[in-house]
Amino acid sequence: GQSLEQPSEVTAVEGAIVQINCTYQTSGFYGLSWYQQHDGGAPTFLSYNALDGLEETGRFSSFLSRSDSYGYLLLQELQMKDSASYFCAVIIYRAGANNLFFGTGTRLTVIP
Amino acid sequence: GAVVSQHPSRVICKSGTSVKIECRSLDFQATTMFWYRQFPKKSLMLMATSNEGSKATYEQGVEKDKFLINHASLTLSTLTVTSAHPEDSSFYICSARLAGYSYYNEQFFGPGTRLTVL
Repeated sequence: GQSLEQPSEVTAVEGAIVQINCTYQTSGFYGLSWYQQHDGGAPTFLSYNALDGLEETGRFSSFLSRSDSYGYLLLQELQMKDSASYFCAVIIYRAGANNLFFGTGTRLTVIP
Repeated sequence: GAVVSQHPSRVICKSGTSVKIECRSLDFQATTMFWYRQFPKKSLMLMATSNEGSKATYEQGVEKDKFLINHASLTLSTLTVTSAHPEDSSFYICSARLAGYSYYNEQFFGPGTRLTVL
């Protein structure tokens, strides 16, 4: 099976930088993705890492270390609208398809 | 582009009835669609992988006879919760991946269906 751990809650100030960590245990690892979900809404794709290193997309960056089974999402210049739940998800290639298995989720609260 | 819709958005039903949830990819073809279940303030749990024209692959612990999945076309997958009970109350979310991109890793999620079983 798969196991992914994230901090359950994080609070940060508007304009600051916050890092959300994710550790995972799985077999058949293909990559790590990050998704954002606002209350009652659908998850939206933020980033994907297949190789070690940092991927940057605007204010969001994601890092992966395959040897450490660890990744993080970095959010810069936090805005109030960034308050949401953030999920890491491992991608496992299985039975001819890439499947996503989500972590426990981190609820980010941005305060003024 | 890459919009996924679900219908209905909310449904309330009596215990023992069956409920069908539709998932449609509106502007792209999806060889593979996925069904997830999410409890309040919890993570998304993959229930099954649905491939067009073939049987769905269910995750361990998910009852095939209770959660019937049909993927009859490249734009439509349905999840039927049969003989629903209060413990089936949850948020059901589908996602789709672009056809022809076996290794494309972005899934596009529908807005979800809130099922309440009385």
